[in-house]
Amino acid sequence: KAGVTQTPRYLIKTRGQQVTLSCSPISGHRSVSWYQQTPGQGLQFLFEYFSETQRNKGNFPGRFSGRQFSNSRSEMNVSTLELGDSALYLCASSLAGGTGGYGYTFGSGTRLTVV
Amino acid sequence: GDSVTQMEGPVTLSEEAFLTINCTYTATGYPSLFWYVQYPGEGLQLLLKATKADDKGSNKGFEATYRKETTSFHLEKGSVQVSDSAVYFCALSEGAGNNRKLIWGLGTSLGVNP
Repeated sequence: KAGVTQTPRYLIKTRGQQVTLSCSPISGHRSVSWYQQTPGQGLQFLFEYFSETQRNKGNFPGRFSGRQFSNSRSEMNVSTLELGDSALYLCASSLAGGTGGYGYTFGSGTRLTVV
Repeated sequence: GDSVTQMEGPVTLSEEAFLTINCTYTATGYPSLFWYVQYPGEGLQLLLKATKADDKGSNKGFEATYRKETTSFHLEKGSVQVSDSAVYFCALSEGAGNNRKLIWGLGTSLGVNP
């Protein structure tokens, strides 16, 4: 079966712009979680969506937002980009939530560079 | 809050050497513990997991045992291969019900030389 697909793979944006990243989960998976990965901070949880509802949220500013569609595909949006937003953004899908022993299936990520 | 601490890398070994990557955690409850691996240019993959104390997770020759008394989940492999070169992440699940999320270590880079 197809894995988790993230698009685009690479993105370069200018400070102040906004960006939208897309994630298509594994067919049948209803939970999509987003993480930011940087060398200094490691992996940090952004938010989780389940059945089109945000179920959990990390400690990121309101410039970071997301949504999930009825087909479980998810998008995250970052507005008013800052240099510090440069990172690898990872999406993970799971049947009903990534913890409790089941784990996630991750996409390959979108590498965002803000200049 | 809960946290995960991994040994710093990079770790460089020769093929067939023994591998240990240390992971300790701080948690108020009884989390599940995971090891994920990230190969160059790829997303993270679940390597193994353990859901309760004394459980041993194993996969592809890697093992880790959930030690509640030492709050540890060290990753081991008896004989590494060049193909094991990757970044390894230890993680725990935090919260309950719909508020669960993963807390991650910073990752340990492993390089294996032929």
